[in-house]
Amino acid sequence: QITLKESGPTLVKPTETLTLTCSFSGFSLDSTSVGVGWIRQPPGKALEWLAVIYWDDDARYSPSLQSRLTITKDTSKNHVVLTMTNMDPGDTATYYCAHRRGADYNYDLWGQGTLVSVSS
Amino acid sequence: QSVLTQPPSASGTPGQRVTISCSGSSSNIGGNYVQWFQQLPGTAPKLLIYGNNKRPSGVPDRFSASKSGTSASLAISGLRSEDEADYYCAAWDDRLSGSYVFGTGTTVTV
Repeated sequence: QITLKESGPTLVKPTETLTLTCSFSGFSLDSTSVGVGWIRQPPGKALEWLAVIYWDDDARYSPSLQSRLTITKDTSKNHVVLTMTNMDPGDTATYYCAHRRGADYNYDLWGQGTLVSVSS
Repeated sequence: QSVLTQPPSASGTPGQRVTISCSGSSSNIGGNYVQWFQQLPGTAPKLLIYGNNKRPSGVPDRFSASKSGTSASLAISGLRSEDEADYYCAAWDDRLSGSYVFGTGTTVTV
């Protein structure tokens, strides 16, 4: 059974760096075509894709946020970490991580999400 | 800013059929697989359709989807009260280095 869970601070100050961890079980990030992505959703707004890291260490980022994002994986610990620099109140959102099974089968399973607020 | 356009809302009465459209371009829907997600109030999104028109195990066959050119659509037949949710289309976009894009979202009211 595949599970994912996000963890990290619930409140960060403007200009600070956010570090979120996705802890997963039930699959290996070494398996071909597998990936873990991050998606966020501001309160009352639509989903926004942030980044993905694949089994082969390839990583892709949202073009509008690329300069602020870094995604890494620790296969031995079953963790994926997303860092976002220079946080702004506009980055207040629920952040989700999700499992990617293949090119046609993106984000089939999601974590519960974690709400991050940005405020001084 | 979403590059896939959906109608903000759709509605129907129990038992009716509702269709949601998703308009994109050749760099996303036109050349890549489309997924559809359902988000019930206060919960994480759930994959409803993958590979343009395939249902994951457990998704009722009341949900169906299709793709034509640079547009896609999701149909819900035999509408039920528990279908009241937000629905998002999504696809990979080949522009720049590649990224995944979601639709603007459609709220379905039963």
